[in-house]
Amino acid sequence: EDQVTQSPEALRLQEGESSSLNCSYTVSGLRGLFWYRQDPGKGPEFLFTLYSAGEEKEKERLKATLTKKESFLHITAPKPEDSATYLCAVQQGAQKLVFGQGTRLTINP
Amino acid sequence: DAGVIQSPRHEVTEMGQEVTLRCKPISGHDYLFWYRQTMMRGLELLIYFNNNVPIDDSGMPEDRFSAKMPNASFSTLKIQPSEPRDSAVYFCASSLQFGTTDTQYFGPGTRLTVL
Repeated sequence: EDQVTQSPEALRLQEGESSSLNCSYTVSGLRGLFWYRQDPGKGPEFLFTLYSAGEEKEKERLKATLTKKESFLHITAPKPEDSATYLCAVQQGAQKLVFGQGTRLTINP
Repeated sequence: DAGVIQSPRHEVTEMGQEVTLRCKPISGHDYLFWYRQTMMRGLELLIYFNNNVPIDDSGMPEDRFSAKMPNASFSTLKIQPSEPRDSAVYFCASSLQFGTTDTQYFGPGTRLTVL
């Protein structure tokens, strides 16, 4: 069965303190790995899609990387507005996404 | 574009009542998804449609749940009768399959509370 495990469950950082979130997956035939950001009371907001091992994508202070077994979301010099829950999902089959439980990130000023 | 639109945003009902959640996907998108999010189980896919046709409903928890998509711009998720364990946030998402660009865009969700 396809599984997605995110760690840590929660992470508290000081403003400017860089760190990484992990997403480990087991899926037969990965079509894509997605990162979303979710703010309280809102729907998930798309960040990145990664399709093959070795691929990297960047957006502002975020960089996502992919290996054959896991993905990392690196956050460089975060700001309080980066506080959110970050969700990872793998695409199986034609369109189905399987989501991890998320990492709740808090950036203290 | 207005994005995915869901209504109502909040719904409080009593056990046994019928609940209908509504979704308008992004114009031109040919896939529509219904998800449920809870603290215990996270974000789970319930059902998805392609060109208004249900493709996979294996995530629908039981016969009390039903979903329809009568046209390309409207879908409903109905729970009848509702139970307290159905309390959750229900999200609708849509996507456009074009090559490998099949990102799902989510609506703001409907927070359902069944008393």
